[in-house]
Amino acid sequence: QKEVEQNSGPLSVPEGAIASLNCTYSDRVSQSFFWYRQYSGKSPELIMSIYSNGDKEDGRFTAQLNKASQYVSLLIRDSQPSDSATYLCAVGGGSNYKLTFGKGTLLTVNP
Amino acid sequence: DAGITQSPRHKVTETGTPVTLRCHQTENHRYMYWYRQDPGHGLRLIHYSYGVKDTDKGEVSDGYSVSRSKTEDFLLTLESATSSQTSVYFCAIRGDNQPQHFGDGTRLSIL
Repeated sequence: QKEVEQNSGPLSVPEGAIASLNCTYSDRVSQSFFWYRQYSGKSPELIMSIYSNGDKEDGRFTAQLNKASQYVSLLIRDSQPSDSATYLCAVGGGSNYKLTFGKGTLLTVNP
Repeated sequence: DAGITQSPRHKVTETGTPVTLRCHQTENHRYMYWYRQDPGHGLRLIHYSYGVKDTDKGEVSDGYSVSRSKTEDFLLTLESATSSQTSVYFCAIRGDNQPQHFGDGTRLSIL
């Protein structure tokens, strides 16, 4: 059974701070890693994808992957109240056609 | 979003009735997926399709069937709905070597 675990949350940070979201996965052959943002009552929206070890930056978002430790994280710099949402970590197998999702971490950014 | 339309968006029905949810895409993508999302469980894969008439089970497929007779349509059927199938259902699509993108969801209540 493939498992994806996220820090339980909820996570609360002040506006302008760095929010750090973490995810571990059990399947060593996983090849693709994604972060989705989901606002309350809405559908998941892809914000980052990462496939190789190291960091990938996109604006205020940085995804970090360490396959040896089976760990992927998402950093949000200069957090804004509009970043308040549930963040879902998703991990794909070698074929990259099925994803296993974590249960999500609720982030609240306080003005 | 991403050329995906789910219908209906909301449905209330009674235990024991058949229910069919439709996912329609305009992207001509090969892969389509049905998930359910429940509090405390996150997103769980029900069934997926990797081409016309090519489908397979996900982790929570009991009580559900699917059909894909055309590239653009993926139907999810609950043959005899039960209260445990009350949930929010999301369809997702994926092109080759691309991440999954989600539809807006269907909120299904079974009384």
